[in-house]
Amino acid sequence: EAGVTQSPTHLIKTRGQQVTLRCSPISGHTSVYWYQQALGLGLQFLLWYDEGEERNRGNFPPRFSGRQFPNYSSELNVNALELEDSALYLCASSLGSGGFSDTQYFGPGTRLTVL
Amino acid sequence: AQKVTQAQTEISVVEKEDVTLDCVYETRDTTYYLFWYKQPPSGELVFLIRRNSFDEQNEISGRYSWNFQKSTSSFNFTITASQVVDSAVYFCALSEARTGANSKLTFGKGITLSVRP
Repeated sequence: EAGVTQSPTHLIKTRGQQVTLRCSPISGHTSVYWYQQALGLGLQFLLWYDEGEERNRGNFPPRFSGRQFPNYSSELNVNALELEDSALYLCASSLGSGGFSDTQYFGPGTRLTVL
Repeated sequence: AQKVTQAQTEISVVEKEDVTLDCVYETRDTTYYLFWYKQPPSGELVFLIRRNSFDEQNEISGRYSWNFQKSTSSFNFTITASQVVDSAVYFCALSEARTGANSKLTFGKGITLSVRP
């Protein structure tokens, strides 16, 4: 069974640009989560999507947004990039509807560097 | 608010040594889940275990074992006879049942384990 996939693996952007990251969940999983892993800040919850709807959002500015498609894949968009957005962005999926008991399975991440 | 503390930041052991990774959590919920994940250098978080707040039984899986103690709010992870392939960053995480917090994993800062041959 294929795991969570993310693209691209690496990305280099400059300040002020916009970026889109992509995630495909494990087959059969309907919930998708996004986390940011920045140096020194640890893993922080960004967004949760389930059945095409945004269900929960972490403490991030509105320039972080995303969506989930009918096939449950997801995009994370970051506008007006800042240097501190440089991080590993991890996507996870779960089988259930995102309840607290769900196990989240993670993809390999997208490494974003903002210059 | 929920919080996970992994006080050890880096641990270095020689192969075949046993090592315990500590995790202490804080929550006001009586219903919650605890997780351990492994992050090898490739970056992908690998799920290791999930434990709910009502099940305090210790668990063993091969060389891995977990000790959950609600009295001390701890969920410690022991690797027996460590191997070089165990070298990774290990994260403890918490999810709570309360509205607004559910689905969100709160992670500790992680423990970097280096196993030397």
